[in-house]
Amino acid sequence: EDQVTQSPEALRLQEGESSSLNCSYTVSGLRGLFWYRQDPGKGPEFLFTLYSAGEEKEKERLKATLTKKESFLHITAPKPEDSATYLCAVQASGTYKYIFGTGTRLKVLA
Amino acid sequence: NAGVTQTPKFRVLKTGQSMTLLCAQDMNHEYMYWYRQDPGMGLRLIHYSVGEGTTAKGEVPDGYNVSRLKKQNFLLGLESAAPSQTSVYFCASRSPSGHYEQYFGPGTRLTVT
Repeated sequence: EDQVTQSPEALRLQEGESSSLNCSYTVSGLRGLFWYRQDPGKGPEFLFTLYSAGEEKEKERLKATLTKKESFLHITAPKPEDSATYLCAVQASGTYKYIFGTGTRLKVLA
Repeated sequence: NAGVTQTPKFRVLKTGQSMTLLCAQDMNHEYMYWYRQDPGMGLRLIHYSVGEGTTAKGEVPDGYNVSRLKKQNFLLGLESAAPSQTSVYFCASRSPSGHYEQYFGPGTRLTVT
């Protein structure tokens, strides 16, 4: 069964304190792994797509990496405006469906 | 370019009432999805559509029906609402090509009393 597990559930960081969020997955043939950011009361906002092990994508203070079993979202020198819930999702090959994790709630303190 | 819009934003229903949630996208996307988001459960797929006139069941389809009469619209119906359907509902769309990412609407918060 395809599955996505994110850890930790919640994370509090001081401004400038770098850290990583984890997304572990099992899927029968990965088409893509996706990271989204979700602010309270809003819909998820797309950040990255990763397709194969070893791939990396960067955007401002965020960097996403992928192995055959997990993905990490590295946050370098975070700012309070990075506070949000970060969602991970996978899509298996040959399907239109996406499986989402339960997210990591990130709080960055000034 | 509005992206994905959802109507209404909030709704309160009594048990047994019916309603329809509307999702509209102006990106000419073929694929559209309906999810529900509950605390601690993540986003769960209700129904999806891969083109005008087509629909398919997702992970949690019971109690919901959908229609895709026009490419830009995807309707989610609740025929007889139950308290277990209290949730936040999100619509998403994506192109069949490109990077497979979904674009989400702002959500509809539904409470069934």
